[in-house]
Amino acid sequence: DSGVTQTPKHLITATGQRVTLRCSPRSGDLSVYWYQQSLDQGLQFLIQYYNGEERAKGNILERFSAQQFPDLHSELNLSSLELGDSALYFCASSADLYSYNEQFFGPGTRLTVL
Amino acid sequence: SQQGEEDPQALSIQEGENATMNCSYKTSINNLQWYRQNSGRGLVHLILIRSNEREKHSGRLRVTLDTSKKSSSLLITASRAADTASYFCATANTGGFKTIFGAGTRLFVKA
Repeated sequence: DSGVTQTPKHLITATGQRVTLRCSPRSGDLSVYWYQQSLDQGLQFLIQYYNGEERAKGNILERFSAQQFPDLHSELNLSSLELGDSALYFCASSADLYSYNEQFFGPGTRLTVL
Repeated sequence: SQQGEEDPQALSIQEGENATMNCSYKTSINNLQWYRQNSGRGLVHLILIRSNEREKHSGRLRVTLDTSKKSSSLLITASRAADTASYFCATANTGGFKTIFGAGTRLFVKA
């Protein structure tokens, strides 16, 4: 158990809909990262938050947004969903600002868009 | 394109044999990490090697780093069926952001 929790575990929705994925980092970790894993694209870095502020952006679509709250939990919002958004979404956390140090991954949310 | 690229894409060995996976990357790095992922589950950090290190051991794992060739290898000795998983290398640029994972090597260890 990494100490990172993600909800829900599974999400099935329809195209055009909006969903929110939630992540609670390990106790004491200030950075939260979001990743998307799909069969054709592999594991893609989406975005990083550190202590409530956005620190780095990767291949995140404009239809996606994220935030980190004062209690350090984070939410990833996916809107106008398309079939291609079906993937595993992982949250990870780390103690400090730099992503080149060890990250602790949650169990993931499997999103299926029908 | 991806920073880290592993090869082989897939590897099938017998229990007790050694497994070697390779990773190549493109830009300067601070460190390189290896992660394991059991099917459909979260990634688990295995080992981190800093750019000024050439070799590192952790249990049955041995990692090497050659910064001149921008490559790393992960050796798992005396493999077990429980080692069956996908293995990823991960790097971040020297600024410390935007970790990039390779496509992974799928290891299958037959009992």
